[in-house]
Amino acid sequence: AQSVTQLDSQVPVFEEAPVELRCNYSSSVSVYLFWYVQYPNQGLQLLLKYLSGSTLVKGINGFEAEFNKSQTSFHLRKPSVHISDTAEYFCAVTSMDSSYKLIFGSGTRLLVRP
Amino acid sequence: DAEITQSPRHKITETGRQVTLACHQTWNHNNMFWYRQDLGHGLRLIHYSYGVQDTNKGEVSDGYSVSRSNTEDLPLTLESAASSQTSVYFCASSDSPVGAFFGQGTRLTVV
Repeated sequence: AQSVTQLDSQVPVFEEAPVELRCNYSSSVSVYLFWYVQYPNQGLQLLLKYLSGSTLVKGINGFEAEFNKSQTSFHLRKPSVHISDTAEYFCAVTSMDSSYKLIFGSGTRLLVRP
Repeated sequence: DAEITQSPRHKITETGRQVTLACHQTWNHNNMFWYRQDLGHGLRLIHYSYGVQDTNKGEVSDGYSVSRSNTEDLPLTLESAASSQTSVYFCASSDSPVGAFFGQGTRLTVV
């Protein structure tokens, strides 16, 4: 079984500052990793994913994440945030056994202030 | 364009009533999922299906059921609605590990 821990429930940051949203996972098998974003009153949108290959993955809206197998982490970063990045961010994993069930973390609310 | 739609978007029901939430996808995906979203819990898996006539229980399946009679639809039924089932419900579909596509959600209030 897999589990995901998002250590911060809310991250306040000023506009144009860098941000890191933390995600750690637990699994006895190899996994795929994802970050989803949810804007207010909307569904979830895929931000980026790690399937294999380079451990640094780039996504939409200037976000990137780095897979660290030894630390079982997949932290999300952005060098300069905008007001429009204010949203809920979810880290998720699925195992490589083709089940495609996503297991989600509890979410981190990014609050960008002017 | 292919999409996944949920209906209704908002529903208020009374305790003890049976409620069905609809999910329809035009991606032709075999795998479909129902999640509920609650503050502090993220999204938790209720039920999922890997194809027609296949259904499986997820992490929080008590009080819920699903049926899969075709590829496009996976309706979620609350047999006897309880206040603890007040939540936002999301349907998703996927046929590869590249990530699932989500509907816009249904906000259900049980009074």
